[in-house]
Order: sequence, then structure tokens, then C-alpha cells
Amino acid sequence: AQSVTQLGSHVSVSEGALVLLRCNYSSSVPPYLFWYVQYPNQGLQLLLKYTSAATLVKGINGFEAEFKKSETSFHLTKPSAHMSDAAEYFCAVIVTGTASKLTFGTGTRLQVTL
Amino acid sequence: DAGVTQSPTHLIKTRGQQVTLRCSPKSGHDTVSWYQQALGQGPQFIFQYYEEEERQRGNFPDRFSGHQFPNYSSELNVNALLLGDSALYLCASSLAGHYEQYFGPGTRLTVT
Repeated sequence: AQSVTQLGSHVSVSEGALVLLRCNYSSSVPPYLFWYVQYPNQGLQLLLKYTSAATLVKGINGFEAEFKKSETSFHLTKPSAHMSDAAEYFCAVIVTGTASKLTFGTGTRLQVTL
Repeated sequence: DAGVTQSPTHLIKTRGQQVTLRCSPKSGHDTVSWYQQALGQGPQFIFQYYEEEERQRGNFPDRFSGHQFPNYSSELNVNALLLGDSALYLCASSLAGHYEQYFGPGTRLTVT
């Protein structure tokens, strides 16, 4: 069965610093991978997706992620953190050919400090 | 263009009661999925509806049931509520054959 593992339940960065949120996946077939963001008391917003086209994927709000098959990773990065980036981030996987059931990681809470 | 909407926003129920949550998908979408998100956890897949039928189901008991209407809107029903059913219930819509899912704001259910 496919799964994702997010390393680090909490990440704290200074405003203007690099943001790196880690996600590793496990899947026996090519997966589709997603990053979602959740602000307090809100639903999930899609940041970006990997669907087997370009391995470097650009999303909204300056975020990007790189699919690395050799490392089974799909880490999320942003060159310069902003206070408004403070939120919970979830990595998720869908196995291609299935009925599009999303399997989520446990989430990483990003804190941005002055 | 309206996104995914859910009602109600918050709900408080007593153990043993039954609850119905509602979801309207994003315009043009025909598939609705439901997820349960317990506090501090990632969302867990409950089930998915397409063409008014349950297409896939996660590891949830039969107390959880659903329905999809001809206009693609959906309901999630939970019977015999347990304290452990307290969670944020998220609805997501998508277009059949496409993997992107768009989420609503959720319904916060508290069981006392």
C-alpha cells in the first residue's frame, strides 16, 4: 500500500530564511504526489502537485517541490519564508490507476519567527 | 466560481445520536470524497462517491454511510456517535479521471 512519511512534526524558521519540509513516499507503482496547506480552522488548500511531467514543480505562494525517484522524496521548499506561511503542511499520495483516494502524511507545523 | 461548500460549520452532538453533514462540490465536479481529520492528525479517507454510488471506502465502520444526489452534492451520515468521532470532517470534490481534489472548509463535529 502507498504511504507518505513527513519528517519533523514541527519546523521553525526565521522570516526570510529557507523553508524545507520533508516528505518521503512509498509506492510500488508511479505515484501522484501533492502538498496541501491548512491554516487554523480551515480546510486544505492545494499548493502543488506532481503528476509525472516535470520533476520540479512550482506551486502557489512561491513554493516548489522536486520529485526524486531515486530517493523516493518530494520535499517542499521556499527560498524566503514569510510570516503568512505559518500553517500546517500535508504531503499526500495517490496511486495512479486507483479511484483517487488520497493518503496523507501526519503533517508538519511550520512556525515563522521574526 | 463557487468552491466546495460544507454545512454546518460546527455541530455538537451527544453520544449515541446520529448526524448528517452536507457537501456541495465545486462547479463542474462530479466526484465527492469524505475525510475525517482528528485533532493533530492528517485527514483519513472515509469514502468516495461517483455517479451516486460509493466507489471506494476506507477503514471506517458501517456507522459511517453516505449518499450522492443527481446534482453531485453529497451527505455523510454517522450513526450511534462515539466520543472518538469528534473531528473535522472534510469534503473534497474532483472531476472523474483527474487526480486533483479540492477541499471545503470542513465541519467541526464535537461529540459529548
